[in-house]
Amino acid sequence: EIVMTQSPVTLSVSPGERATLSCRASQTIDSNLAWYQQKPGQAPRLLIYGASTRATGIPPRFSGGGSGTEFTLTISSLQSEDFAIYYCLHYNNWPPGYSFGQGTNLEIK
Amino acid sequence: QVQLQESGPGLVKPSETLSLTCTVSGASISSYYWTWIRQPAEKGLEWIGLVYTSGRTNYNPSLKSRVTMSLDTSKNQFSLKLSSVTAADTAVYFCATAPIAVGAFPDSWGQGTLVTVAS
Repeated sequence: EIVMTQSPVTLSVSPGERATLSCRASQTIDSNLAWYQQKPGQAPRLLIYGASTRATGIPPRFSGGGSGTEFTLTISSLQSEDFAIYYCLHYNNWPPGYSFGQGTNLEIK
Repeated sequence: QVQLQESGPGLVKPSETLSLTCTVSGASISSYYWTWIRQPAEKGLEWIGLVYTSGRTNYNPSLKSRVTMSLDTSKNQFSLKLSSVTAADTAVYFCATAPIAVGAFPDSWGQGTLVTVAS
């Protein structure tokens, strides 16, 4: 079973600044990595898939990088609506299955 | 645009079976992976399992002994049954779908439904 570990658990950043979130896989997962944003009381929203491809409608300030076991989500200039919890997800294409990271809480500094 | 809606009892007694249904609109149920994910209050996301074409399934090993998922293509629905529930199964349950042609990642989610396990 592949274990996904996110860091930090909480990240405090000021609006307008850059935020970088990390996700590490316990073994190589190629680029089968997605990022989600979740706000209180809402379902998660897909941001990034294939480690670096933005989902439809996601603004360019969100970017994903990495491959193998180390991945990052960067938000280049934080807007007020970006403060939320972010999860990484490893997805296995065959047989299909998932492993979530434990989440990073991005909060206003 | 795929839309999903969870339905089922909001309260289940300990040791009984939790049953939820996800109704799908805007997509053919035979063209995607269909998955259940849950989230206890103030905690992270946990994958429960998925069902796909022909009704094949894959479950989270930690829940596998208690989970059953199925498809009903005639109703465009898929379902979750979780047996022998305890308070630890109290959570918001989400159904979601993954576009097989693009990748196995879930890209459309239901709004979630809270299930409480209590007597």
